[in-house]
Amino acid sequence: AQKITQTQPGMFVQEKEAVTLDCTYDTSDQSYGLFWYKQPSSGEMIFLIYQGSYDEQNATEGRYSLNFQKARKSANLVISASQLGDSAMYFCAMRRSGTYKYIFGTGTRLKVLA
Amino acid sequence: GAGVSQSPSNKVTEKGKDVELRCDPISGHTALYWYRQSLGQGLEFLIYFQGNSAPDKSGLPSDRFSAERTGGSVSTLTIQRTQQEDSAVYLCASTKSPTPKETQYFGPGTRLLVL
Repeated sequence: AQKITQTQPGMFVQEKEAVTLDCTYDTSDQSYGLFWYKQPSSGEMIFLIYQGSYDEQNATEGRYSLNFQKARKSANLVISASQLGDSAMYFCAMRRSGTYKYIFGTGTRLKVLA
Repeated sequence: GAGVSQSPSNKVTEKGKDVELRCDPISGHTALYWYRQSLGQGLEFLIYFQGNSAPDKSGLPSDRFSAERTGGSVSTLTIQRTQQEDSAVYLCASTKSPTPKETQYFGPGTRLLVL
């Protein structure tokens, strides 16, 4: 069965520092996609970054990068130079190739301290 | 529209009443998803539409829940005889096509409170 695990229910980081949010996944598929979303207190889900299982390079989008370790089945999100506006819930999600269903983790609540 | 819209943004209802939640996806997006998010929890998949058809309704928690999509655009999620455990945020998302790399674009959600 497909599963996403986020073991950190809450994290604190000092403004301007980097932070890593953990995500591990369980699948027997070879082809799949991994996503990270941000959910601010307003409630809307915002897409941050995507990593395909066959992508050789780690994905990067501005201050966001994905530390993809396929053998360990981990897809950790790294946020560099944290800003106060980064305080939010962060969800890791997976989608199998050829299917339409996304599986979400339970999320990590990040608080950036001034 | 520029993004996915949902209405109402908030809904308070009494136990036993029916409610309808509406989702208007991004124009041209063929795939539409409904999720439920209980307080402090992750997203629970409810149903997926490709065009007007719903190939997977397995996430609907009970037969009190139903959804339809007309014209390949607007979707309505209906909850009959609401229960207090139905209280949650209901999120709608759409994608241009159901390809692996395609991310979902989410609406702001409808916050449902059943008294």
